[in-house]
Amino acid sequence: DAKTTQPPSMDCAEGRAANLPCNHSTISGNEYVYWYRQIHSQGPQYIIHGLKNNETNEMASLIITEDRKSSTLILPHATLRDTAVYYCIVRAYSYNTDKLIFGTGTRLQVFP
Amino acid sequence: ETGVTQTPRHLVMGMTNKKSLKCEQHLGHNAMYWYKQSAKKPLELMFVYSLEERVENNSVPSRFSPECPNSSHLFLHLHTLQPEDSALYLCASSQDAQGKTQYFGPGTRLLVL
Repeated sequence: DAKTTQPPSMDCAEGRAANLPCNHSTISGNEYVYWYRQIHSQGPQYIIHGLKNNETNEMASLIITEDRKSSTLILPHATLRDTAVYYCIVRAYSYNTDKLIFGTGTRLQVFP
Repeated sequence: ETGVTQTPRHLVMGMTNKKSLKCEQHLGHNAMYWYKQSAKKPLELMFVYSLEERVENNSVPSRFSPECPNSSHLFLHLHTLQPEDSALYLCASSQDAQGKTQYFGPGTRLLVL
């Protein structure tokens, strides 16, 4: 799986949009971009994933650049409960066993 | 989330004890996973089961023994652990083991004394 690079930490004011960047410059054509988050000492929570088109669901939006070398996760109206570590992962569907390779992520702190 | 449950949520054990962690998924998935998360380290995949067969063992010491009696249940049997095995143990499941989204349980916080 391709490596990803994320800033170690970010702050965001409550009610504002949180934009979390991720670089994945070595991503290959069949690799998806996945985002998970982990609130302190809980299990990772799936947020969203995409291949090349932008995606939106009830939790967030995912913007992938045209060259697919970077992406941004957008939480449109951050709340205090969005304080967590956010992981950007690239992975390929395959016929072999599947692995999610987590990095160190971005620690997002939402403040009042 | 109640899709994947884990028990117990917290466990303290001595190095000579034998204990088991339990995971149950209510999502109708066919693949289940054990991950370990040590303090300030990324999650590490330990085991993968697909249709109740172990398909991956990531060089995990034999003091960790997984068991998957059916597609809804996954156990991790623990025996003569070391203090460095203290960690958050996470279970996940997915529709299959070929790239479908994995959903995680809340984890078991294990402390080995």
